[in-house]
Amino acid sequence: AQSVTQPDIHITVSEGASLELRCNYSYGATPYLFWYVQSPGQGLQLLLKYFSGDTLVQGIKGFEAEFKRSQSSFNLRKPSVHWSDAAEYFCAVGESHYKLSFGAGTTVTVRA
Amino acid sequence: NAGVTQTPKFQVLKTGQSMTLQCAQDMNHEYMSWYRQDPGMGLRLIHYSVGAGITDQGEVPNGYNVSRSTTEDFPLRLLSAAPSQTSVYFCASRGTGSNYGYTFGSGTRLTVV
Repeated sequence: AQSVTQPDIHITVSEGASLELRCNYSYGATPYLFWYVQSPGQGLQLLLKYFSGDTLVQGIKGFEAEFKRSQSSFNLRKPSVHWSDAAEYFCAVGESHYKLSFGAGTTVTVRA
Repeated sequence: NAGVTQTPKFQVLKTGQSMTLQCAQDMNHEYMSWYRQDPGMGLRLIHYSVGAGITDQGEVPNGYNVSRSTTEDFPLRLLSAAPSQTSVYFCASRGTGSNYGYTFGSGTRLTVV
């Protein structure tokens, strides 16, 4: 069985500063990788996904993520954070065609 | 708008009661699934379906039933609610090919007292 680890439970960042959220996974084959964002009381919105090809993936809202096979990582980045980026972020790995495994999530707080 | 619709948004049940959480999608996706979200645990798969008439168990299926009579609908039934089933429930559907990706509903917040 595979697992997804988000080492940081909570990150606080100043508005305008850069943000990086870490995600590590264990999976035997080439995974399908996703990042989702969840605002309080809301559902999950897809930020970006990686299936194959270019290891740097661009998503919505100015986010990008880089797949590093050697490190089994898929870290999410944003160069300049806005107050509206305060939310919970989930990394997910497509274990098979039928199951998406999620990390425990990272809560991002943005301070003025 | 196209997407996944869940009802109700909020529900309070007494221990032992039963209820059905509704999920409908209008994207003609074959694959649908139910997850529960608990603090510090991310989302965990309850049941999934790969098409009408076909369902299977996920990671935490106990206490829940599903059926899939149409492509559009995938209801989740709680047979006898327990406080441990207090959670936020999300339904998701998944496209294929160039549309591969999971679309989530807005969730149902269930409290069992």
